[in-house]
Amino acid sequence: KQEVTQIPAALSVPEGENLVLNCSFTDSAIYNLQWFRQDPGKGLTSLLLIQSSQREQTSGRLNASLDKSSGRSTLYIAASQPGDSATYLCAVRRPGGFKTIFGAGTRLFVKA
Amino acid sequence: DTAVSQTPKYLVTQMGNDKSIKCEQNLGHDTMYWYKQDSKKFLKIMFSYNNKELIINETVPNRFSPKSPDKAHLNLHINSLELGDSAVYFCASSHREGSTADTQYFGPGTRLTVL
Repeated sequence: KQEVTQIPAALSVPEGENLVLNCSFTDSAIYNLQWFRQDPGKGLTSLLLIQSSQREQTSGRLNASLDKSSGRSTLYIAASQPGDSATYLCAVRRPGGFKTIFGAGTRLFVKA
Repeated sequence: DTAVSQTPKYLVTQMGNDKSIKCEQNLGHDTMYWYKQDSKKFLKIMFSYNNKELIINETVPNRFSPKSPDKAHLNLHINSLELGDSAVYFCASSHREGSTADTQYFGPGTRLTVL
């Protein structure tokens, strides 16, 4: 059974700091891993998707890595801004069952 | 320009009532989903439809019945609402199941409150 864990559950940093959010999963057999952002009272916005054959993806100040053998992914945010404040969700897509399993999220607060 | 839309955004109702939530996507995607986000913000899949056919049905009470009249729509009907059904329900869609590059796009959510 696939389980997805995100650490830390909450994080508060000063503006301009670089930070890393962690995601771990128990079953290395995955189709892909997706990082989402959720603002309060809003839906989910896809940030980055890493396919099972890939090691990392980058978009602007965001970089996501994937290490299937260790069951880990990290989301690196460079030069954080107050607008980055949101909940970040990690989601693992399983093969065969075509299910997506979400972590509980990391609530990020960037102080101006 | 809205990719995945849901109506209503808020739904407040009494226990025992029957209610529906509608979802539409204009992305031309083949697959649509319903997710439930509980009070602890944990997001869990409920149903998945591919080309109007049910392919995932998680352990959801049979009071919940999804209906897909066409590929662009996936509605969720809930009978005999209970207090524990209070949550935010998200609709999502993706281009094609089974592709490792498949990205899911989410609607804004429907906050259901059962009194």
